[in-house]
Amino acid sequence: DSGVTQTPKHLITATGQRVTLRCSPRSGDLSVYWYQQSLDQGLQFLIQYYNGEERAKGNILERFSAQQFPDLHSELNLSSLELGDSALYFCASSARLTAGELFFGEGSRLTVL
Amino acid sequence: KNEVEQSPQNLTAQEGEFITINCSYSVGISALHWLQQHPGGGIVSLFMLSSGKKKHGRLIATINIQEKHSSLHITASHPRDSAVYICAGPTNTGNQFYFGTGTSLTVIP
Repeated sequence: DSGVTQTPKHLITATGQRVTLRCSPRSGDLSVYWYQQSLDQGLQFLIQYYNGEERAKGNILERFSAQQFPDLHSELNLSSLELGDSALYFCASSARLTAGELFFGEGSRLTVL
Repeated sequence: KNEVEQSPQNLTAQEGEFITINCSYSVGISALHWLQQHPGGGIVSLFMLSSGKKKHGRLIATINIQEKHSSLHITASHPRDSAVYICAGPTNTGNQFYFGTGTSLTVIP
């Protein structure tokens, strides 16, 4: 058990819809990363938050947004969903801003029909 | 061209064999992570290193910062080592995080 909790584990929705994925980091970790893993693209970095502030942005689409709340949990919002957004979405937490050990959640599997 | 390259892409070994997976990167990375992903999908961090060598049980990871190269070694491989191994890391500026394409390892009893 990594100590990182992601919900929901599975989500099926339709094109054009909006979903929210939630991540609770390991106790005490200030940094939260979001990653997307699709069959054709492998793992890609989406965004990082540290202590409530956005610190790094990767290949995140404009239709996607995220935030980290005062209690340090984070949410990833995906809107105007397309078939190609079907993927596993992982969050990971770390105690440090950079170069910290990563602890991964089990992932949220999104299927867009 | 990927910023982080791994080789081999696929590897099949007999139980007990010594295994090496290589990772080369073309960008400045502040710390190199080795991750393990089992067929069920979960990801586990095996190592994080920015210099030298680390060992955990039968796993050894090394990194050469000057050559921008890291290796993951598995000694006395076992079928339970069958998984995808991924190297990854944040850039020195911290504004991006790159992943290798992964090495799929199958260890046959």
